[in-house]
Amino acid sequence: NAGVTQTPKFRVLKTGQSMTLLCAQDMNHEYMYWYRQDPGMGLRLIHYSVGEGTTAKGEVPDGYNVSRLKKQNFLLGLESAAPSQTSVYFCASSTWAAGGPGEQYFGPGTRLTVT
Amino acid sequence: EDKVVQSPLSLVVHEGDTVTLNCSYEVTNFRSLLWYKQEKKAPTFLFMLTSSGIEKKSGRLSSILDKKELFSILNITATQTGDSAVYLCATLGGTSYGKLTFGQGTILTVHP
Repeated sequence: NAGVTQTPKFRVLKTGQSMTLLCAQDMNHEYMYWYRQDPGMGLRLIHYSVGEGTTAKGEVPDGYNVSRLKKQNFLLGLESAAPSQTSVYFCASSTWAAGGPGEQYFGPGTRLTVT
Repeated sequence: EDKVVQSPLSLVVHEGDTVTLNCSYEVTNFRSLLWYKQEKKAPTFLFMLTSSGIEKKSGRLSSILDKKELFSILNITATQTGDSAVYLCATLGGTSYGKLTFGQGTILTVHP
């Protein structure tokens, strides 16, 4: 049981390049999330999914797209990277608990630098 | 707008000391409060508090929630150098997708 995994762990992009971050969970969780963490800003929600085939915008969705074609995978795409997207990206998942989503379990993070 | 504020922002103690970390919140549709520990990598889950006045305990860590005064505290007794980390407080809202609102975190440094 690996929990939540993310690939890649590190990436450097040039401005305008595109890339996809992959998140996978083996806990059969319904809910999945993508966050970014910046110094002094805490974790901010980019996009989330409440089930296979569904996605929705979080607090800071601009410049990102997501897809959830399979329950266990949640992909985050950057179509045209910008230096403002330099950050650490965390994926998380949670299950249903006592009438609603429960605690979230986080992946190890992806450190992305855009030059 | 939902808001979670942690204090202090940083704390330096020596091994064996007891520390108290604070978290206050203003959240609509509050459901639960969560504490996470982050050591350079992913936040790891510590506690989830839903009811007022019921202490949750795990080893040297304990936490309690006051829903009337809208705050929570995380206590760590007999601190060790391995407790050095960022401690994150987050509130889980009552939205259908489980909106987590995070505080800025408290950086705890424990010296030998």
